[in-house]
Amino acid sequence: GESVGLHLPTLSVQEGDNSIINCAYSNSASDYFIWYKQESGKGPQFIIDIRSNMDKRQGQRVTVLLNKTVKHLSLQIAATQPGDSAVYFCAENKEGEGGSTLGRLYFGRGTQLTVWP
Amino acid sequence: GAVVSQHPSRVICKSGTSVKIECRSLDFQATTMFWYRQFPKQSLMLMATSNEGSKATYEQGVEKDKFLINHASLTLSTLTVTSAHPEDSSFYICSARDRILGEQYFGPGTRLTVT
Repeated sequence: GESVGLHLPTLSVQEGDNSIINCAYSNSASDYFIWYKQESGKGPQFIIDIRSNMDKRQGQRVTVLLNKTVKHLSLQIAATQPGDSAVYFCAENKEGEGGSTLGRLYFGRGTQLTVWP
Repeated sequence: GAVVSQHPSRVICKSGTSVKIECRSLDFQATTMFWYRQFPKQSLMLMATSNEGSKATYEQGVEKDKFLINHASLTLSTLTVTSAHPEDSSFYICSARDRILGEQYFGPGTRLTVT
């Protein structure tokens, strides 16, 4: 079936470096993508989102890039800090029946980011 | 910001018993809530969409008679795992969609252990 997947299951970076986490999606009909951060034993925390009519969106220290041609999504974290250590998931939103967006999210595999001091 | 709570945060039950998990939107109304399951070191898997005042919509492969969902009000959805077995042990996470703003917020999760 169609799914969202991540290229790298683990990523280790030095504090202060930039991090890039990648995601590939397969459903060309998806119109909304979200990056989440999940710390151990907790629920996902929203980081940033992007709609399919955009190719870049910036937040505080984070940037999401969307390449619809190759169905690729990436999350860039600038000046990575130890507090950024967590599992990062991308998720895609698929429209519901009748064309309405019900908000059902399908998550990718996840990337464990470890930041070394 | 919007808050979603889950109760209990942790529960241990014996095999064959049923356990109910609550998901509440604390400062907004949610006509739609979602239930996810997450096994250790795996991703979140969408189980079902909970619709206020109507039947839940289950994802393919999820047994509706085993995972009973009730969305009785605009701020509460419950997931009941019936006749639980050890393989049902997992982290259950809900999310709620603000009916006005359309934003979706996740709860902190419930750790279920079936012995």
